[in-house]
Amino acid sequence: AQSVSQHNHHVILSEAASLELGCNYSYGGTVNLFWYVQYPGQHLQLLLKYFSGDPLVKGIKGFEAEFIKSKFSFNLRKPSVQWSDTAEYFCAVNAGGYQKVTFGTGTKLQVIP
Amino acid sequence: DTGVSQDPRHKITKRGQNVTFRCDPISEHNRLYWYRQTLGQGPEFLTYFQNEAQLEKSRLLSDRFSAERPKGSFSTLEIQRTEQGDSAMYLCASSLGSVRGSPLHFGNGTRLTVT
Repeated sequence: AQSVSQHNHHVILSEAASLELGCNYSYGGTVNLFWYVQYPGQHLQLLLKYFSGDPLVKGIKGFEAEFIKSKFSFNLRKPSVQWSDTAEYFCAVNAGGYQKVTFGTGTKLQVIP
Repeated sequence: DTGVSQDPRHKITKRGQNVTFRCDPISEHNRLYWYRQTLGQGPEFLTYFQNEAQLEKSRLLSDRFSAERPKGSFSTLEIQRTEQGDSAMYLCASSLGSVRGSPLHFGNGTRLTVT
C-alpha cells in the first residue's frame, strides 16, 4: 500500500530564510507526486506536481520540488520565504494506475516577519 | 471553473442522529473523492467515484458511512447513527480521470461536530 511520510510537523522560519520540507513515499512503481498547500481559512490547493519528465518541478509562488527516485523522496523547497507563505503543506502520492491519492500528515509552516 | 462546492459548511448534530453532506464537483470532472480530516492530520481517504461507479471504499470506513453519486454529477455522503469520533472536516475533491497526474480540486469542506 502506498504511504507518505512528512517528518517536519511544525517549522518556524524568519522571512527570507530558505525552506526545505521533507517528503518520503513508499511505493516501488510509477508514481504521481503532489504538494498541496492550505492557507489559513482556505481550502487545499495544488502547489506543484510531478508525474514524468524533469525531476525538478516548479510550482506557484516560487516553490519547487525535486523527485529523487532512489530515495523515494519529493522534497519541497523555496529559496526565500515570505510571511504570506504561512500555511500547512501536504505531500501526496498517487501510485501509477492506482487512483487513491494518499496524503501525509502535513507540515505547518510559520514565517515570522 | 466554479470550483468544488460543499454543503453545508458546518453541521452540529447530536450523537445517534443521521447526517448527509452534499458535494458538487467541477462539471467536467469524472472523478469524485471524499476525504476526512481531523486536527493535526492530513486528509484521510474515504471513498472515490468514477462517474457514478464507486470504485474504492476505505477499509477504515464503517458500515455507518455510505456515499452515492447517482448520475455521475453531485455526490452525497451519509453518516448514520453518528458518534463523537465522527467529528471532523469532510472534504470533497474532484479530478479529470482521463489525464495522468490530474490533481485533486478540493472544496471548502463540511465541518461536522457531534455532541
